[in-house]
Amino acid sequence: DGGITQSPKYLFRKEGQNVTLSCEQNLNHDAMYWYRQDPGQGLRLIYYSQIVNDFQKGDIAEGYSVSREKKESFPLTVTSAQKNPTAFYLCASGGVATGELFFGEGSRLTVL
Amino acid sequence: KNQVEQSPQSLIILEGKNCTLQCNYTVSPFSNLRWYKQDTGRGPVSLTIMTFSENTKSNGRYTATLDADTKQSSLHITASQLSDSASYICVVSAQRNYGQNFVFGPGTRLSVLP
Repeated sequence: DGGITQSPKYLFRKEGQNVTLSCEQNLNHDAMYWYRQDPGQGLRLIYYSQIVNDFQKGDIAEGYSVSREKKESFPLTVTSAQKNPTAFYLCASGGVATGELFFGEGSRLTVL
Repeated sequence: KNQVEQSPQSLIILEGKNCTLQCNYTVSPFSNLRWYKQDTGRGPVSLTIMTFSENTKSNGRYTATLDADTKQSSLHITASQLSDSASYICVVSAQRNYGQNFVFGPGTRLSVLP
């Protein structure tokens, strides 16, 4: 099936630990995005990438890092520097020119 | 400032009834407007996408309208079903040199009761 796969779906982390969320797509999309969703708020952009080996900070990049070594993959690392990491994280992909935007099923991170 | 507002924040209706959700935006330059449905704990799924020249677009029981002059959109749900219970998110994209800039509304939480 074509689509975007995020893993894990649920993740628990102790304070001070880094965690990495996986995002893989087989839609042949150039652009990939990471969003954070908190209750009652719109999705906020963390990082985006429009081409392999290049990525840009979004509105709330502090405490997060990404890599884009392959077109299909865009992992997000939540570092210990992120002060309030408990949230629902959504990965998305789309064509740069078409403006499509497809989402994965999300990963819920809880810091204990 | 690019912004998308949605109303109401939440809505409760009985199964079989119709409802209309509102979206107002201040995003420029406007590229397109989308409505997504997001079930609890799941990723958003696209319902409709509308460009500047489109006034109405339907997807089954979902009908979206766009008034580009007043910068308003609505999503009308006909003959609601229990499975329509979800959050509905309005997303407006602005064309940039580097691609699209997506601006998300906070969503409307719809509950359909039997």
